[in-house]
Amino acid sequence: DIQMTQSPSSLSASVGDRVTITCRASQSIASYLNWYQRKPGKAPNLLIYAASSLQSGVPSRFSGSGSGTDFTLTISSLQPEDFATYYCQQSYSTLLTFGPGTKVDIK
Amino acid sequence: QVQLVQSGTEVKKPGASVKVSCKASGYTFTGYYIHWVRQAPGQGLEWMGRINPNSGGANFAQNFQGRVTMTRDTSISTAYMELSRLRSDDTAVYYCARDVGSGWIPELWGRGTLVTVSS
Repeated sequence: DIQMTQSPSSLSASVGDRVTITCRASQSIASYLNWYQRKPGKAPNLLIYAASSLQSGVPSRFSGSGSGTDFTLTISSLQPEDFATYYCQQSYSTLLTFGPGTKVDIK
Repeated sequence: QVQLVQSGTEVKKPGASVKVSCKASGYTFTGYYIHWVRQAPGQGLEWMGRINPNSGGANFAQNFQGRVTMTRDTSISTAYMELSRLRSDDTAVYYCARDVGSGWIPELWGRGTLVTVSS
């Protein structure tokens, strides 16, 4: 299986901050990388697919970049509704895998 | 609108099996893969596998090989995930999710089914 890691595992930030989360794959996955947001008690929400494509309805403050093994999710100006856990997921292999998650909470 | 409605909370004893259902509406059921993903308490998301509702073919994560079965009933637009030989660490919320179309990206998720395994 392709292993996914994320850093940091958690971070504290303020409203208006620029936030960057990193995801790394154990082997090259080209641009087959997706990002999800997960709030407590709610189902995950697809934010970014194919590394940098914004899912319909997702605010433009979210962006993704990277290819190969290293990827980044950026929130340009953190909003109160963005406090959540973020997961990356590779879709290069037939067997999908998620990263361990990055929890973003209020400083 | 597109909707996935999952079956209700389950409490099972170790060694038992559980079968979770996922009823789709608002789209052509056979046109999109269904994924199953779980989240144990305090843990991250874990992909279990996917089923092609058209063919019935399925792929499973290595961690679940031999213990999980995924089926579907196209007449009622419902997918099923059955997990056998339950252990306490199978306690989790189990989600079904419709794929975007390629078979590789879970997009639209059900609300989840809590399965508790306890003696």
